[in-house]
Amino acid sequence: DAGITQSPRHKVTETGTPVTLRCHQTENHRYMYWYRQDPGHGLRLIHYSYGVKDTDKGEVSDGYSVSRSKTEDFLLTLESATSSQTSVYFCAISESEGGSQPQHFGDGTRLSIL
Amino acid sequence: DAKTTQPPSMDCAEGRAANLPCNHSTISGNEYVYWYRQIHSQGPQYIIHGLKNNETNEMASLIITEDRKSSTLILPHATLRDTAVYYCIVRVRGSGNTGKLIFGQGTTLQVKP
Repeated sequence: DAGITQSPRHKVTETGTPVTLRCHQTENHRYMYWYRQDPGHGLRLIHYSYGVKDTDKGEVSDGYSVSRSKTEDFLLTLESATSSQTSVYFCAISESEGGSQPQHFGDGTRLSIL
Repeated sequence: DAKTTQPPSMDCAEGRAANLPCNHSTISGNEYVYWYRQIHSQGPQYIIHGLKNNETNEMASLIITEDRKSSTLILPHATLRDTAVYYCIVRVRGSGNTGKLIFGQGTTLQVKP
């Protein structure tokens, strides 16, 4: 399995609080992605990174920010969490963004915002 | 990326081959066919991918028709642990896109004893 660690695995917090999720990889892959998965919507891309300090928005980026100061770490921050951000969050990594290389996923973070 | 169509559910007897079909009739010449699966509450797991030729790895085989409009994922000897949702996805080969994977509803495979 790809060396991807997501932390925390579970978190419960209150509306309005800041939350940071961490994705750590040991594969030295250039590309990293954050997805959320909700019933009826499948996986949707939030943000992605194509190198250290290089990030861009996905299709559901509102309310989220990311940072990548090191190749191995990609952080997802909810500045002021809302109940609509209750979801399961998955990090993925890839050697390239093109279709010839697969993305590999972490085990997810289950986030509940009350 | 091209749209894919999969049956919503399938059953398979343990020890038998599971053949999961996928239609991608609008696929372009530079798009790969990918298969992932997701076991309840876990992250999606990459299985296999291919462009034109049939592919085989330790997990499965991928058969792509000559016109590339459909494919079949084959799990040669299904076990109970293969019960999962299986996703067929097409991805553009080149760079310059977000690399986003578009997961549809997939096929829920139930392997029965």
